Amino acid sequence: DAGVIQSPRHEVTEMGQEVTLRCKPISGHNSLFWYRQTMMRGLELLIYFNNNVPIDDSGMPEDRFSAKMPNASFSTLKIQPSEPRDSAVYFCASTSTLGQGTEKLFFGSGTQLSVL
Amino acid sequence: GESVGLHLPTLSVQEGDNSIINCAYSNSASDYFIWYKQESGKGPQFIIDIRSNMDKRQGQRVTVLLNKTVKHLSLQIAATQPGDSAVYFCAESRYNAGNMLTFGGGTRLMVKP
Repeated sequence: DAGVIQSPRHEVTEMGQEVTLRCKPISGHNSLFWYRQTMMRGLELLIYFNNNVPIDDSGMPEDRFSAKMPNASFSTLKIQPSEPRDSAVYFCASTSTLGQGTEKLFFGSGTQLSVL
Repeated sequence: GESVGLHLPTLSVQEGDNSIINCAYSNSASDYFIWYKQESGKGPQFIIDIRSNMDKRQGQRVTVLLNKTVKHLSLQIAATQPGDSAVYFCAESRYNAGNMLTFGGGTRLMVKP
């Protein structure tokens, strides 16, 4: 089991540039989550997909952020244009929902984003 | 708003001692609780979970206790080892909220040799 795979591991970019973060969930999982982690705000849920459909994007900070899940094995989180305050670690997590309530999430190793 | 929080931001224990990490939650409707361990540079790693129809669950060297009366959750680690040094997060969810976990702020556990 390869686990949740995120890329890149580190991203350094300049303010105003477009940033795309990628995630491959665990095979067979049908729910995917994007979280952002900062020292000030901890772990924040940005968006949640179920069966490739966005269910709740209320955590997305603003229109500069967008997320897609074109198929069950791939998701992207895009920031355009990026700003220094977007600097954080972005985590992707997945789980398998069987209609029985909450199940544990499996997290990737994260992408450390630095916007200069 | 309702949230999950932790009492102690940093806990320092001697190797071999038992550790207890506490967590308070405010939503009485929460029915699922989970503890994660996060080591430096890594993503959160599942430790143990518990549903609200239980008050205790044991794993390997870890025990989670749930007190719904006072809305309190704790993680006990037996015979703490240097490899247990990490930040520990509790999180809660409600069945009717899908699988959206709300995380607490985290407690850093430091194990002294």
